[in-house]
Amino acid sequence: QVQLQESGPGLVRPSGTLSLTCAVSGASIRSDKWWSWVRQPPGKGLEWIGEVYHTGSTYYNPSLKSRVTISVDKSQNHFSLNLDSVTAADTAVYFCASVLWGGSELEYWGRGILVTVSS
Amino acid sequence: EIVLTQSPATLSLSPGERVTLSCRASQSVSSKLAWYQQKPGQAPRLLIHGTSNRATGIPVRFSGSGSGTDFTLTISSLEPEDFAVYYCQERSNWPNYSFGQGTKLDMK
Repeated sequence: QVQLQESGPGLVRPSGTLSLTCAVSGASIRSDKWWSWVRQPPGKGLEWIGEVYHTGSTYYNPSLKSRVTISVDKSQNHFSLNLDSVTAADTAVYFCASVLWGGSELEYWGRGILVTVSS
Repeated sequence: EIVLTQSPATLSLSPGERVTLSCRASQSVSSKLAWYQQKPGQAPRLLIHGTSNRATGIPVRFSGSGSGTDFTLTISSLEPEDFAVYYCQERSNWPNYSFGQGTKLDMK
């Protein structure tokens, strides 16, 4: 079974860059899967951020596209999220997830990491 | 943009009861509608994919159905561990994933 684990700073300064990594175990990141990021502001619903394939191909949420970069590191079997120019509105629990083969549902999820944007 | 509206927002029920949760789309969507369960402090868990297919390890008391703009998740007999928030999700507006706002299932 695929297991995912997010890591990164829990506090980011306003206007800074949020950087998170998702370690993948139980599967190769080179497998025929897309790897996704989703966030959830405290007490609110889910928002998809974007996803990456092992070739480096990406899709992003149009509302975040100008600030987001998702990349993959095949040697480390992990993928990463960078979100630029953050504000308090980016405070959320950030989840990484694997996309079910076929491309439309999120099959396995990490436990999530709370990132707070504050000075 | 397709908007998914879930109803009701909150439901108070007792273990053993049958419940049907609704997810309505603002326009017709493909058959690939999913349902997730989320408990406090945990990640969402995929329950149903492709409208009616149970994900790996999901008990048979969970079932999904629907087409077009109207979809439902039914739990045939509530267990204590089923009290959680449920989200529907679809991806017709590629590549964006759209989520409903959630239905919270409370224990009465």
